[in-house]
Amino acid sequence: EIVLRQSPGTLSLSPGERATLSCRASQSISSTYFAWYQQKPGQAPRLLIFGASSRASGIPDRFSGSGSGTDFTLTINRLEPDDFAVYYCQHYGTSPLTFGGGTKVEIK
Amino acid sequence: EVQLVQSGAEVKKPGESLKISCRASGYTFTTYWIAWVRQMPGKGLESMGIIFPGDSETRYSPSFQGQVTFSVDKSTSTAYLQWTSLKASDSGMYYCARGANGYPLGYWGQGTLVTVS
Repeated sequence: EIVLRQSPGTLSLSPGERATLSCRASQSISSTYFAWYQQKPGQAPRLLIFGASSRASGIPDRFSGSGSGTDFTLTINRLEPDDFAVYYCQHYGTSPLTFGGGTKVEIK
Repeated sequence: EVQLVQSGAEVKKPGESLKISCRASGYTFTTYWIAWVRQMPGKGLESMGIIFPGDSETRYSPSFQGQVTFSVDKSTSTAYLQWTSLKASDSGMYYCARGANGYPLGYWGQGTLVTVS
């Protein structure tokens, strides 16, 4: 089972700043099968990025994903109030799917 | 429009059985995997496993193997998650989502809150 470790656990930033979230896999995974999700309180998760760097439909271009092998990054430029949430990485290639533990982006 | 609509919140006692549902619409149900995801109170997302409605092929995550059962009803485009004997530790929010096995989870149900007490 592939283990995904996200860092940091919490990121305290101000609106307008840039957020950089990391996800490290326990073994090399294909970037084709790597995703990021956003979850706000009381809501289901929402797909942000798939294939490590492709934005899902309707996702603004201030969200970008990068990485390969075991290290992946989600960057959120110019944080807006609506961006403060919890973000999860995930691999969806071979079963079992796994999620990272999440990074909470909170208002400083 | 793709939609996954889950059944309502449940309150059960330990030892009781439960079956929750996820009704799909807006696409061909039998051609996409359905994933089940647990989120315990205040915690992160856990993948429980996946089921392919086309042939009911099922793959459980190791932590959930033997603890739950996935099934589908193709006639109603509905996926099910079932417990035969609930424990307090089964309390949490359960989501179904479309995708998996090579596809991201692009569509999610609204979640079903299960409380076992």
